[in-house]
Amino acid sequence: DIVMTQTPLSSPVTLGQPASISCRSSQSLVHSDGNTYLSWLQQRPGQPPRLLIYKISNRFSGVPDRFSGSGAGTDFTLKISRVEAEDVGVYYCMQATQGGTFGQGTKLEIK
Amino acid sequence: QVQLVQSGSELKKPGASVKVSCKASGYTFTSYAMNWVRQAPGQGLEWMGWINTNTGNPTYAQGFTGRFVFSLDTSVSTAYLQISSLKAEDTAVYYCAREDYWGQGTLVTVSS
Repeated sequence: DIVMTQTPLSSPVTLGQPASISCRSSQSLVHSDGNTYLSWLQQRPGQPPRLLIYKISNRFSGVPDRFSGSGAGTDFTLKISRVEAEDVGVYYCMQATQGGTFGQGTKLEIK
Repeated sequence: QVQLVQSGSELKKPGASVKVSCKASGYTFTSYAMNWVRQAPGQGLEWMGWINTNTGNPTYAQGFTGRFVFSLDTSVSTAYLQISSLKAEDTAVYYCAREDYWGQGTLVTVSS
């Protein structure tokens, strides 16, 4: 099974400052069809998860452009260019190349 | 608009069964697979598996075989998760999720 490891697990950030979360997979996420099924989700307190980024770097409908995804193979990054109060929550990476696996989650909080 | 609406919270005794429903609307139900995800209290997300909405063929992740059953009723665009022989450790919020949209979650509490 593919293991997803996120760092950091907690990220205190000042409003207006950038934030970055890393996600590493235990094996390549490149699918035989050539796509890399790595997504990022946001879960605000008391809410279901919400898709932010799919296939490494594609923003989902309605997601602000301060969110961006990058990476390849086994190493991926979610960046928030300027953190806003509404960004507080837990962020998960997820692979769907081989079944499905989530990272442990990274709690984003305001300093 | 795409919506996945799940059934309400459940309180069950150990050993009982529960069936959670997930009604889809706003798209062609059989065009997208349906995933099931578990979130224990205060914990992260755990992928339980998925069901092919065309064929009805389910795939279960490790740790979700035996007591967990995914099923469909395509006539009403609804997916189901049934859990039998409930244990206290099954207490969690269960989500249905397309690849891009999620249900609101169903809290299943197992307590005597």
